[in-house]
Amino acid sequence: QVQLVQSGAEVKKPGASVKVSCKASGYTFTTYAMHWVRQAPGQRLEWMGWINAGNGNTKYSQKFQGRVTITRDTSASTAYMEMSSLRSEDTAVYYCAREGSGSNDAFDIWGQGTMVIVSS
Amino acid sequence: DIQMTQSPSTLSASVGDRVTITCRASQSISSWLAWYQQKPGKAPKLLIYKASSLESGVPSRFSGSGSGTEFTLTISSLQPDDFATYYCLQYNTYWTFGQGTKVEIK
Repeated sequence: QVQLVQSGAEVKKPGASVKVSCKASGYTFTTYAMHWVRQAPGQRLEWMGWINAGNGNTKYSQKFQGRVTITRDTSASTAYMEMSSLRSEDTAVYYCAREGSGSNDAFDIWGQGTMVIVSS
Repeated sequence: DIQMTQSPSTLSASVGDRVTITCRASQSISSWLAWYQQKPGKAPKLLIYKASSLESGVPSRFSGSGSGTEFTLTISSLQPDDFATYYCLQYNTYWTFGQGTKVEIK
């Protein structure tokens, strides 16, 4: 079945970097865009950026531009989200989400989420 | 940036009730709106896309309507499994979520 499986929880110190992976299965990875969304405790979902898994083009929310890098490895059907200069406010659950195609181009499949805790 | 505002923030209802949640966009987004259900500790689940299209496998008691700047999600007869938080998402220009509506047991 179609699924996205993310890497496990991370605990990082302020100023460090984190890299979260998202492995896709059950569909052709390169024919769908992949997005990253985060949710801080008790907060709304927040879009961070996306990657065209076919050609590698990316686009980021202005809020995260320069601090987040989204990449993909087509041979492994895996997308990555790396965030640098972490601060306590980056403590959140990070999700990857597939953008559907055709008439349904909302986020149709989500990973299970990766908890990232930033604490000294 | 397009802002999305949901109302109410919290809704108390009983099993069998008809429930309506509203989402307003700060500018027209045509029909580029989706609705999600999220339960604690879980990823969001797509219910409705393009304002009124029901995602495959989602019960028909869920429906969506609206276009432009005002949208609604309706649950025709609330079931025990429906107590959750609901989010709207606009995808007309980049992507923005509403702040969520928590549906609680009355």
